[in-house]
Amino acid sequence: DADVTQTPRNRITKTGKRIMLECSQTKGHDRMYWYRQDPGLGLRLIYYSFDVKDINKGEISDGYSVSRQAQAKFSLSLESAIPNQTALYFCATGEDRRRSNTGELFFGEGSRLTVL
Amino acid sequence: AQSVSQHNHHVILSEAASLELGCNYSYGGTVNLFWYVQYPGQHLQLLLKYFSGDPLVKGIKGFEAEFIKSKFSFNLRKPSVQWSDTAEYFCAVNAGSGYSTLTFGKGTMLLVSP
Repeated sequence: DADVTQTPRNRITKTGKRIMLECSQTKGHDRMYWYRQDPGLGLRLIYYSFDVKDINKGEISDGYSVSRQAQAKFSLSLESAIPNQTALYFCATGEDRRRSNTGELFFGEGSRLTVL
Repeated sequence: AQSVSQHNHHVILSEAASLELGCNYSYGGTVNLFWYVQYPGQHLQLLLKYFSGDPLVKGIKGFEAEFIKSKFSFNLRKPSVQWSDTAEYFCAVNAGSGYSTLTFGKGTMLLVSP
C-alpha cells in the first residue's frame, strides 16, 4: 500500500461544481502539502499545513481551500471549479524539520482533475 | 523567497550519451537542494538531495549532482543514460529555515532514444 494515498485518482467535472480531493498518509509526518502540476509550469504550491492546527496559503491558493482533519488527512476543495483548474494535483508529506532537517517530500500518486 | 530555474525544457539523447541538466536557484542563505524524477504516469520520486558536506552528491540509478555555491547551481549528471531514464526531472530548493517550503523548477523532459 502506498504511504501517501490520494482519492480520486481521476475526476471529470463541470464548471461550477464543488470538488474535494482527499489525501491520507501512513508515514506519521506532521507536514502535508498540496501542489498542482501543469505542463511547462512544474509544481506549484497551493496550500500547506505544518500540523493539525496550522494552515498556510501557498503560491496559488485562490479558488482553493483545505481542511486538515487529522494528522494523517489533508483535503483540498474547489468550491466552484473552473476550466483553468484542470491539472494534476499532488499531495505530499514531510517530516517536521525542527526534528529532522531533511526537507524531503514524499508524494502521492496524483489526482487528475478535468473541469469542463 | 527562493526560486529555481531549469535551463532546458526538453532534452533528447541517444542511449549511452552523457547527461547534464542545469539548475540554478536564487536565495542568498543556506539551502537544501533536491532532484526529483517523474516517470511517465507516475508520481515524483527523490533522485538525490544535498544538505551539507561534500558538494558532490550521489543518488539512485547512477545519477549525481554537484552543488556549486558560488554559481548558485545544482546540476544533475549521469555518464551514460538508458532508455529507462526517459522521464521529467525537477530541481527543487528550500531555505535552511525549518519553516520554509519546497520550491520546484519547471522541469526538464528527458527523452532517451534506444
